[in-house]
Amino acid sequence: NAGVMQNPRHLVRRRGQEARLRCSPMKGHSHVYWYRQLPEEGLKFMVYLQKENIIDESGMPKERFSAEFPKEGPSILRIQQVVRGDSAAYFCASSPPARGRQGNSPLHFGNGTRLTVT
Amino acid sequence: QQQVKQSPQSLIVQKGGISIINCAYENTAFDYFPWYQQFPGKGPALLIAIRPDVSEKKEGRFTISFNKSAKQFSLHIMDSQPGDSATYFCAASRGYTDKLIFGTGTRLQVFP
Repeated sequence: NAGVMQNPRHLVRRRGQEARLRCSPMKGHSHVYWYRQLPEEGLKFMVYLQKENIIDESGMPKERFSAEFPKEGPSILRIQQVVRGDSAAYFCASSPPARGRQGNSPLHFGNGTRLTVT
Repeated sequence: QQQVKQSPQSLIVQKGGISIINCAYENTAFDYFPWYQQFPGKGPALLIAIRPDVSEKKEGRFTISFNKSAKQFSLHIMDSQPGDSATYFCAASRGYTDKLIFGTGTRLQVFP
């Protein structure tokens, strides 16, 4: 039973390049959340998506950042024209549909993509 | 109103001791309060969670205490072990489907 899969684990980009981070949710999960973690800081919510829909993007910077979760394939977090301040660990989490949710484990996290901008 | 405040920032405990981490929130609409454990290089993993209709929940050595009137909740780790050394995050959300708002984390070190 594979968990949330994120790739790549490490990504190095030069300033001005584009970064694409991928997240495959757990089997049966249709909700995806993206979080950013700066060194020695907590996790900051970025965006919440369901298949083909953005539900909440209140934590997403207005420029250069976008996210999608297509009907088929992984969720993608895209950062255009990266700057040094984008260097962080980006975590994806997934959860099942509300009607199927049980117990107290709604969000399962992947091991993150560590983005370094040089 | 969306913030969750966590303390202390770091904690050093001797093996066998009790580790206590505290969190406070403002938004009374929050009704789900999980704690996550994160090891270096890994994603956060759910440790234990509580809903506001109970004041305490215990799972093994881990206990959450919840004070609804004070809008505070805490994690107690009994008989702390070196393997518990990790960063712990409290969080809050409105139900299971809404986004989790995380505290800033507590780095716990347990020395033998």
